[in-house]
Amino acid sequence: DQQVKQNSPSLSVQEGRISILNCDYTNSMFDYFLWYKKYPAEGPTFLISISSIKDKNEDGRFTVFLNKSAKHLSLHIVPSQPGDSAVYFCAASRNSGNTPLVFGKGTRLSVIA
Amino acid sequence: DTAVSQTPKYLVTQMGNDKSIKCEQNLGHDTMYWYKQDSKKFLKIMFSYNNKELIINETVPNRFSPKSPDKAHLNLHINSLELGDSAVYFCASSQVTLAKNIQYFGAGTRLSVL
Repeated sequence: DQQVKQNSPSLSVQEGRISILNCDYTNSMFDYFLWYKKYPAEGPTFLISISSIKDKNEDGRFTVFLNKSAKHLSLHIVPSQPGDSAVYFCAASRNSGNTPLVFGKGTRLSVIA
Repeated sequence: DTAVSQTPKYLVTQMGNDKSIKCEQNLGHDTMYWYKQDSKKFLKIMFSYNNKELIINETVPNRFSPKSPDKAHLNLHINSLELGDSAVYFCASSQVTLAKNIQYFGAGTRLSVL
C-alpha cells in the first residue's frame, strides 16, 4: 500500500528550463512534506520541505507547492542545471516528533546541456 | 567532516552469516533511524531510536537487532543472513525538538548476500 506515490519514474529537461516533479499522497494524517535529492552511491540529501499550513515554500531555485485538497505536491526547479541531475524522492510524515518518513519511489531527473 | 557516517559502505557475505553495520552522527541529534532500500527502490523505515530507546520497530524480523550504546550511535546487527536481506541500508538522524522532521542520511551500506 503506497501512501506516497511518484508516478513518473524519469524526467528529462533542457538546461535552463523548468523541471516539475510531482508527488501524490493518500494519508490525510500527513502534515509535513519533504523533497530529497540522491546521487548514485550517496545517501538522500534534504532539499526543501513544507508544512501543511502553507501552500508554497521557496528556496532559491527550488519551490515546493502543496495542494492539500488534492493531496498533491510538486517541486519546481528553475532554471534547471546539469548538476540537478539526480533521483528526487518525495517524503511525508506526521510532524509529531519521532515519526518515520514515508518515501515515494523517486523520479530520476536528467538535465540535458 | 561527515554528519552521519556508516561503515562499511559495501558488505558482501554468505547466507547464514552474522554481520553488523555501524552508524554514527555528530549532529547532536536525539533520534536515529535505520531505513532499507530494496530492489524496488522503496526506502522503508526499519527502526527508530530516541535517546537510546527503541521507539519504532516496523515488523522487521527479529534476526535484525539494533543497538544504541549512546545517542550518537545506532548499530544494526543481522543474524543468519538471507538472500532477501540484500539491499542498501541507510542510517539517518533528526532532532525532533526543532519541530521539523528533517532527517539527515548517511551514504548507505550496500549489503549483498550470496
